[in-house]
Amino acid sequence: GQQVMQIPQYQHVQEGEDFTTYCNSSTTLSNIQWYKQRPGGHPVFLIQLVKSGEVKKQKRLTFQFGEAKKNSSLHITATQTTDVGTYFCAGPSGGSNYKLTFGKGTLLTVNP
Amino acid sequence: DVKVTQSSRYLVKRTGEKVFLECVQDMDHENMFWYRQDPGLGLRLIYFSYDVKMKEKGDIPEGYSVSREKKERFSLILESASTNQTSMYLCASTRSRGGYTFGSGTRLTVV
Repeated sequence: GQQVMQIPQYQHVQEGEDFTTYCNSSTTLSNIQWYKQRPGGHPVFLIQLVKSGEVKKQKRLTFQFGEAKKNSSLHITATQTTDVGTYFCAGPSGGSNYKLTFGKGTLLTVNP
Repeated sequence: DVKVTQSSRYLVKRTGEKVFLECVQDMDHENMFWYRQDPGLGLRLIYFSYDVKMKEKGDIPEGYSVSREKKERFSLILESASTNQTSMYLCASTRSRGGYTFGSGTRLTVV
């Protein structure tokens, strides 16, 4: 079945440093979604990318979808303590646009 | 704001008990999902439903069943709870092509 791999599993940074997490799918994706889960919280939808090569920004967060639509990245510029949490990517699976397979996530911790 | 409400934040049940986890969404979403989240294993899909009375198995349906009698409500049933079903259970809903809205989760402990 489809697999969605994320690296790294953990990342610890000093406040102000940049952070990037990468997502790779074993199959071509029609779209990719990103979620953030704060410690003790639930996943919250951040963004969906649909087009090959698409780049979207949300303040200090930059999301990219690869040209082949099999990989994606999330980059955070100048991390803040509020960025702490686990970042998940997710892609459609089983031929469905609404059923998602999630990566295992990257846990980001930020040292103030 | 879309709300997905899970009936309990924490539950402790005994082995062999029948357990009901309830989830209600208020935005008329067609699709609803039950995931469990475990350290190191991420989010794994148990069951999902794309319409009233419709259900499909996810990746780990064994030991679980679901019910969707009304569009807004999706229930997860543990037929006979076992200790390996101790986990965080997350309900989510979505329209056909949008992001998921998750509930706050139910942390179930089976003793």
